Amino acid sequence: NAGVTQTPKFRILKIGQSMTLQCTQDMNHNYMYWYRQDPGMGLKLIYYSVGAGITDKGEVPNGYNVSRSTTEDFPLRLELAAPSQTSVYFCASSFPDRGILEQYFGPGTRLTVT
Amino acid sequence: AQSVTQPDIHITVSEGASLELRCNYSYGATPYLFWYVQSPGQGLQLLLKYFSGDTLVQGIKGFEAEFKRSQSSFNLRKPSVHWSDAAEYFCAVAGFQKLVFGTGTRLLVSP
Repeated sequence: NAGVTQTPKFRILKIGQSMTLQCTQDMNHNYMYWYRQDPGMGLKLIYYSVGAGITDKGEVPNGYNVSRSTTEDFPLRLELAAPSQTSVYFCASSFPDRGILEQYFGPGTRLTVT
Repeated sequence: AQSVTQPDIHITVSEGASLELRCNYSYGATPYLFWYVQSPGQGLQLLLKYFSGDTLVQGIKGFEAEFKRSQSSFNLRKPSVHWSDAAEYFCAVAGFQKLVFGTGTRLLVSP
């Protein structure tokens, strides 16, 4: 199993550009998540999905969109990039067992918006 | 709402010395608690987890953590730190369909 994979690893965007961060998992996990990590701030949940076709907002969803058309993929879309979206983005997945969430993380995408 | 507090932003420990990283949580029911480690430039790796039962849980890389309900704490410990343990450590509590993370503690290991 490859686990959780994310592409690209690094990206520089200009203000106003758009892009999609890709996330794929091959563990047949129902739940998938997108986090952003800023220095000294820990991880903040952007969006999550409990299964194909179902998504919900996390703590910091503004400026982002997601879709979940398959169990494996959970792309994160930035429509109008802003400097405040400079961050490291992590995708994670989990298979809830008795409500227990044990998340497996991808390696991250480092995004800079200038 | 659930929350996690990691009161130490940075901790420096000499190699071979013992380590304790603090974590306090806020949760109304029995919590599910986790410790993750993030090495520089890497994603997060699960060190250990507490769901129920024995309050002292063992994890990977020689780490352990103790759940203390009376103190709402889940502190991470290691008896002898190695230089490779230098990383950022995150405590987390499971909420409804998601994890809530603390802000992390960066561990520095001095020779």
